[in-house]
Amino acid sequence: DAKTTQPTSMDCAEGRAANLPCNHSTISGNEYVYWYRQIHSQGPQYIIHGLKNNETNEMASLIITEDRKSSTLILPHATLRDTAVYYCIVRVATGGSYIPTFGRGTSLIVHP
Amino acid sequence: DTAVSQTPKYLVTQMGNDKSIKCEQNLGHDTMYWYKQDSKKFLKIMFSYNNKELIINETVPNRFSPKSPDKAHLNLHINSLELGDSAVYFCASSQGIGGRQNTEAFFGQGTRLTVV
Repeated sequence: DAKTTQPTSMDCAEGRAANLPCNHSTISGNEYVYWYRQIHSQGPQYIIHGLKNNETNEMASLIITEDRKSSTLILPHATLRDTAVYYCIVRVATGGSYIPTFGRGTSLIVHP
Repeated sequence: DTAVSQTPKYLVTQMGNDKSIKCEQNLGHDTMYWYKQDSKKFLKIMFSYNNKELIINETVPNRFSPKSPDKAHLNLHINSLELGDSAVYFCASSQGIGGRQNTEAFFGQGTRLTVV
């Protein structure tokens, strides 16, 4: 099971920043936080990941708290095409491998 | 070029039949996965292969048999299909296992399997 907690759903106005929170209070020191999203009927898409520093790429920013027990994914200017389910996952060690293990995610609806 | 491609995209078949879903990745990754997403949208890992060797089998019925002829391919064969097998199946790949955590997974577009 995923070791993260996310709100079930959120909404955001188009053009505004979407801030998606995630709690991962049991994260280990060497575990990364990953964010993926799944747009309806498509395969999950990688967004960003981080260990302890804040990260930014062309899609989003990731803010990780100093104690690493929570993080926030920021979509700076949400568009209608950002409507999707967003998954925050911690890379879980299983049998010596790190398997992306998905929880329920947050359903983000971006409205006009 | 599609990084992770699955075929077919849609598959409708009768109970009791045997079917296969193919997956290919052109990313040079050494680890591939199969996930199942059911009607409740829960995405669950089924199998993981590294360098053609099975490393994860998450209590999947033995009617499901993955086969990896080489690092770039991981096919899923399903025997004696049941109604409950209806779902969307996603293939994925990533680079590295073990201590190398900072690698993302790339997913295919999914195969929607409907068993009637």
